Amino acid sequence: QVQLQESGPGLVKPSETLSLTCTVSGGSVTSYYWSWIRQPPGKGLEWIGYIYTSGSTNYNPSLKSRVTISVDTSKNQFSLKLTSVTAADTAVYYCARLESSGSYSRWFDPWGQGTLVTVSS
Amino acid sequence: SYELTQPPSVSVSPGQTASITCSGDKLGSKYACWYQQKPGQSPVVVIYQDNKRPSGIPERFSGSNSGNTATLTISGTQAMDEADYYCQAWDSSSAVFGGGTKLTVL
Repeated sequence: QVQLQESGPGLVKPSETLSLTCTVSGGSVTSYYWSWIRQPPGKGLEWIGYIYTSGSTNYNPSLKSRVTISVDTSKNQFSLKLTSVTAADTAVYYCARLESSGSYSRWFDPWGQGTLVTVSS
Repeated sequence: SYELTQPPSVSVSPGQTASITCSGDKLGSKYACWYQQKPGQSPVVVIYQDNKRPSGIPERFSGSNSGNTATLTISGTQAMDEADYYCQAWDSSSAVFGGGTKLTVL
């Protein structure tokens, strides 16, 4: 059974870059889409973007200018970088696999346990 | 940008049927899925592709999607179903989540 685990700093200073890694165990990152989703404290879910193992990506238009998602198949990991962070980027960050059935049916399963990243000086 | 609208809260008595709606322009022409999130936990998909249940999800969870509205129905609601529920769909290759509905089992 595939499991995902986020890791990275829990505190980032304003204007700096948030960097997180998701380690996939119990399965391979190959031939799947992988995604990052975040949830500000007490608020709803926001999709950040996804990557395929070929390296092709797609990002939320509202974050596109600041986001980079990459994959390292040798380490069975994928990563998120978010630049120029502000307090508004404080959230629990989840990684998730993107499951699909055909071209238009896609859903996130499973999810990692999430990691809280606080942006503060 | 595409938006999905959910009621902030829904209340139901144990054993009764709970219905949570998700509205979006021509949502019925897209596939909708639903996630359950309990306090302090990660979301879990309970319905995908409008009406399909992943293995391990109880039969009391069902879904439908037509016109501008997708609906998650929980029949015979149990106390353990109290949680936040989020709908999600895709628009122009971007994932969109509804604002979430807090289901209270009174």
